[in-house]
Amino acid sequence: GAVVSQHPSWVICKSGTSVKIECRSLDFQATTMFWYRQFPKKSLMLMATSNEGSKATYEQGVEKDKFLINHASLTLSTLTVTSAHPEDSSFYICSARTAGTGSYEQYFGPGTRLTVT
Amino acid sequence: AQSVTQLGSHVSVSEGALVLLRCNYSSSVPPYLFWYVQYPNQGLQLLLKYTTGATLVKGINGFEAEFKKSETSFHLTKPSAHMSDAAEYFCAVSGGGGNKLTFGTGTQLKVEL
Repeated sequence: GAVVSQHPSWVICKSGTSVKIECRSLDFQATTMFWYRQFPKKSLMLMATSNEGSKATYEQGVEKDKFLINHASLTLSTLTVTSAHPEDSSFYICSARTAGTGSYEQYFGPGTRLTVT
Repeated sequence: AQSVTQLGSHVSVSEGALVLLRCNYSSSVPPYLFWYVQYPNQGLQLLLKYTTGATLVKGINGFEAEFKKSETSFHLTKPSAHMSDAAEYFCAVSGGGGNKLTFGTGTQLKVEL
C-alpha cells in the first residue's frame, strides 16, 4: 500500500517551453501533497505544499508563477514548470500524505528528472 | 523552527562492519524523526520513524535508530553492512503531527569489500 507514482520519469524540453509533471497516489487518498526539488548531490528542498481543492503554499524563494501547482483531486497533483530554462533542470520529487490524526508520514514518488536544453 | 544536521557527507565501511550514520536535530516542539534511503535516480524510501513511545526503533533491512532527547540525536545503525546498503541516506524531522519535513543534507554510504 501507499504507492505514489510520478509521470514522466524523465523529460527533456527546450528552453522557453512548459512541462507538466504528474504525481498520483495510487491506493490512498492524499489530502496533502508536497513538491520537492533535488539538485545533484544535494538534499531535498521543499518547494510547496498543496492541499486538495485549495491553493498551494509556496516556500520562500520559490516563484509561484513559474512553478504552478494544482491539486484538483485526492489522488492527483501536478507541477507545471512554465517557460523553463536550463537552471530549472533538476530532479523533482513529490510526496503524499493522508488526512486524519496522526497522519505524519509522507510517501514519496520515484521522482522526475527534468533537463532543459 | 526545525533543522537537521547530518555529520559526514560520506561514510565508507567494509562489508560486514557496523554502520553508523549520525543525525542531530533541532525542534521547538517534540519532534517526529525519520530516516530515508535513496538509490540513484529514485525517490525516497522510508527506513524507520520515531513519533512517540519506545525510543529505539527498528526499521527495514536491519536498520535501527535511537531517539536521544538529551543529546537531540537520532543516529542510524546497522550491525553488519551489506553491499546493497550503498546509497544516500537522509535524516528528516517534522514538528509533530503532520507538519512538513525538514531534511538533512544527506550521507552517502559506501560499502567496500
